[in-house]
Amino acid sequence: EIVLTQSPGTLSLSPGERATLSCRASQSVSSNYLAWYQQKPGQAPRLLIYGASSRATGIPDRFSGSGSGTEFTLTISRLEPEDFAVYYCQQYVTAPFTFGPGTKVDIK
Amino acid sequence: EVQLVESGGGLVQPGGSLRLSCAASGFTFSSNWMHWVRQVPGEGPVWVSRINSDGNSTRYADSVKGRFTISRDNAKNMLFLQMNSLRAEDTAVYYCATGAGGYYNGWGQGTLVTVSS
Repeated sequence: EIVLTQSPGTLSLSPGERATLSCRASQSVSSNYLAWYQQKPGQAPRLLIYGASSRATGIPDRFSGSGSGTEFTLTISRLEPEDFAVYYCQQYVTAPFTFGPGTKVDIK
Repeated sequence: EVQLVESGGGLVQPGGSLRLSCAASGFTFSSNWMHWVRQVPGEGPVWVSRINSDGNSTRYADSVKGRFTISRDNAKNMLFLQMNSLRAEDTAVYYCATGAGGYYNGWGQGTLVTVSS
């Protein structure tokens, strides 16, 4: 099973600032089968990025994904008030598909 | 637009059973693989089970194998999860989810399952 580790656990930033979230895999995630989700309290996760860098339908371009192999990054270029949430990465190259423990982005 | 609505969660004693349902609309249900994913509040989601589009192939997480059964009714656009021999560690919000290729672009709102005496 591929274990995903996310850092930092919590990121405290102000609106307008840049957020950089990291996801590290215990084994190589080939073909960049890595997705990112956003989750707000009481809601289901929402797909942001798939294929490590492709934005899902309707996702603003301030969200971008990068990386390969075992190191991946989600960047939010300028935080909007609605972006404060928890973010999860997920690998879907090897079953069972696994998620990371999440990074909480909260308001500084 | 993908719409998934779960139902059937609730409080059950250890060793008991529950059947979760998921009503699907807004997409061609019979063409999509479907999944159940669960999440303990404050933790990351965990994949539980999946079923292929015509229902003849299923797969389970080791933690639920032999206790949970996934099924679907393509005529009624419904997905099910029969959960038997429930344990305290099965307590979570259960989501049905779908998507192409292993990532999930459609999620339900979730249904809470609490296993406690």
